Amino acid sequence: KAGVTQTPRYLIKTRGQQVTLSCSPISGHRSVSWYQQTPGQGLQFLFEYFSETQRNKGNFPGRFSGRQFSNSRSEMNVSTLELGDSALYLCASSLQVTGELFFGEGSRLTVL
Amino acid sequence: GNSVTQMEGPVTLSEEAFLTINCTYTATGYPSLFWYVQYPGEGLQLLLKATKADDKGSNKGFEATYRKETTSFHLEKGSVQVSDSAVYFCALSDLGGNKLVFGAGTILRVKS
Repeated sequence: KAGVTQTPRYLIKTRGQQVTLSCSPISGHRSVSWYQQTPGQGLQFLFEYFSETQRNKGNFPGRFSGRQFSNSRSEMNVSTLELGDSALYLCASSLQVTGELFFGEGSRLTVL
Repeated sequence: GNSVTQMEGPVTLSEEAFLTINCTYTATGYPSLFWYVQYPGEGLQLLLKATKADDKGSNKGFEATYRKETTSFHLEKGSVQVSDSAVYFCALSDLGGNKLVFGAGTILRVKS
C-alpha cells in the first residue's frame, strides 16, 4: 500500500514569490492535515481537510491556504513568501478523525 | 491553550540501557495522547497512543501510560537498540481530532 506522497521534495524560492505543495494521501484516507516543522517552533498545525472541507485551521496568517480535491489529494499554497517560511512542510493522512496520522516525508522549502 | 512539554535532549544511551523520555501536558478536557517517532530522513510515524486515563499504549517494546493525576505520558523502553536512535515527539489531540499539538521533540542517540 503506497504511503503519503509529497511533491516536490525540495524547492528553493525567493522572498515575495508563492509556492504550491502537493500531497497524495494513502488510498481511502479522506482526512489530510498539514504541519510546518522548523528548528525554532517545532511542529505546528496548519490546517486539516476532510472530504474537501476545512475542518480545522492553525494560527498562521492568511498567506497560508490549502484545499482538498474530490480524490482526497491536497495542496497548500503560501503566497508572498518570507524568509521565516523556510521549513519542512509535512502532510499527513488519516482514515478517521482519531489523531492517528500517517506522515509523508515532507517538502523542504528554502526561501532566499 | 493546550501544550506539551518534553524533556530536553539529546539523550545518549548505551545499547540495552533503560530509556525514559518525560512528557507532560496541559489541556482542557481529556485529550488523546500520542508518541510519534521520526527516524533520520523519514517522516513521522505513530509509535503508540492512549485515549483515556490509565490506558497504556505499547509498541515495539515501548510503553507509555496516560496519567491524568500527573498530566504525564512518559515513554519507556526496557532495553534500547542502536536502531532506536531517532527523534521522539509527544503529542496530544486537540479537541479529539486530527489537529495535534506536539512537544519540541527529544533526540535519542544509542551507542553500541
